[in-house]
Formats: sequence, C-alpha cells, structure tokens
Amino acid sequence: NAGVMQNPRHLVRRRGQEARLRCSPMKGHSHVYWYRQLPEEGLKFMVYLQKENIIDESGMPKERFSAEFPKEGPSILRIQQVVRGDSAAYFCASSLGDNSPLHFGNGTRLTVT
Amino acid sequence: TQLLEQSPQFLSIQEGENLTVYCNSSSVFSSLQWYRQEPGEGPVLLVTVVTGGEVKKLKRLTFQFGDARKDSSLHITAAQPGDTGLYLCAGGRSYIPTFGRGTSLIVHP
Repeated sequence: NAGVMQNPRHLVRRRGQEARLRCSPMKGHSHVYWYRQLPEEGLKFMVYLQKENIIDESGMPKERFSAEFPKEGPSILRIQQVVRGDSAAYFCASSLGDNSPLHFGNGTRLTVT
Repeated sequence: TQLLEQSPQFLSIQEGENLTVYCNSSSVFSSLQWYRQEPGEGPVLLVTVVTGGEVKKLKRLTFQFGDARKDSSLHITAAQPGDTGLYLCAGGRSYIPTFGRGTSLIVHP
C-alpha cells in the first residue's frame, strides 16, 4: 500500500508527557500537511511542510507544538507537555504540490489522561 | 480566513431516497474538493471542481460548482447504506485547503 501512513493509530499520554506523531507521505509526494480534528470543530489546518522546510505554520500553537519533515524519514508532529485539550485526532496529508488534491492518512488518535 | 459553511449538519434518511448537501462561502475559490470520511479513517477525495458552473458525476453522486465559484452542491441519487459517512468540502488558498465542518449522513437499510 503506497498510501499515506501514520503511526501510531492510537496514543495515550499522561498530562505533561511528550507525544510524537509520525507520517510517511505517499511515494513521490514532497508536500505534507497536518490537520487536527475535533467532532465539534471539523478539520483545522496546523502546518504545511516541504522537505526540510516549514512553509506555513499559521495554524499551529506557538508553544509546545513543533513539526519537521527531514530530508530522510517521516514527518514528525511533536507536542510537548501535553494537556487534556490536546486530545484529538491528528491527520496527515500529502500532495504533489500546489493545487494538487490532498491524500490523507488514517490519523493518530491522541488521548491525554 | 475563508470560511466554508456546510448544510445540513446532520442527515438521516432511508435507503433509496435522494438527497442534496451544500457548501457555501462568501469568498471565491480557485477550486473546491469534496471528500468522504468514514469513522476511524481519514478523508478520501471524491472530486475536484474548478470551473464555475461545472458539473461532475461519479456514479450516483453529482457535484456542481456554482457559477460564481463561491458554492457547491453534492446530490446523491437512490442513497445506499454504503453512502453513510461525513461529507466534507474544502477549498481556499492554493496550497492550504480550508475544510467545512461537514455533513454527517446516515442511510438506513
């Protein structure tokens, strides 16, 4: 399966711990997007990256959240010192480039206890 | 920020019925996408519309882009239980699609 792969599918963290979410884009895709989904809010854009560059992080909280997409390996969304409000489904999508449709992974469901 | 309003928010119908869901904005979009999302999975792209007035068909699904490229509709003919899911429209700045909150459709057998 050459689709977008996210892991883990489910992640449970205690308040104050760190959460690391991984995303491998579709083969040949160099553009990665992270979205967060809550039932009452829909899909909210967080960050857009290309290899080794953050293009737009306007949707990502300034504190505790960071993202990277290294030259080799998956894209990582890191949440430090998690709080209960971080509990959500986090989706990664990849595309070929501007104006190309997004292909989504099946998400990581983060639960903070 | 361009906002996309989807209606209705929820829809529960019987197998065989027809339905239409809507996606509206005050802004003009260069293109608009429709996705379907099933529980526990990521959104899956159904269609992209680009030209004002464009109509695209995907089996029993008909997608229309408004003439002014500010709105879109999705019509499903003879709905089936397999059509159950969350239907999302997305559009906006060229490289960062903005999503509506979706229409949650349940088709009862």
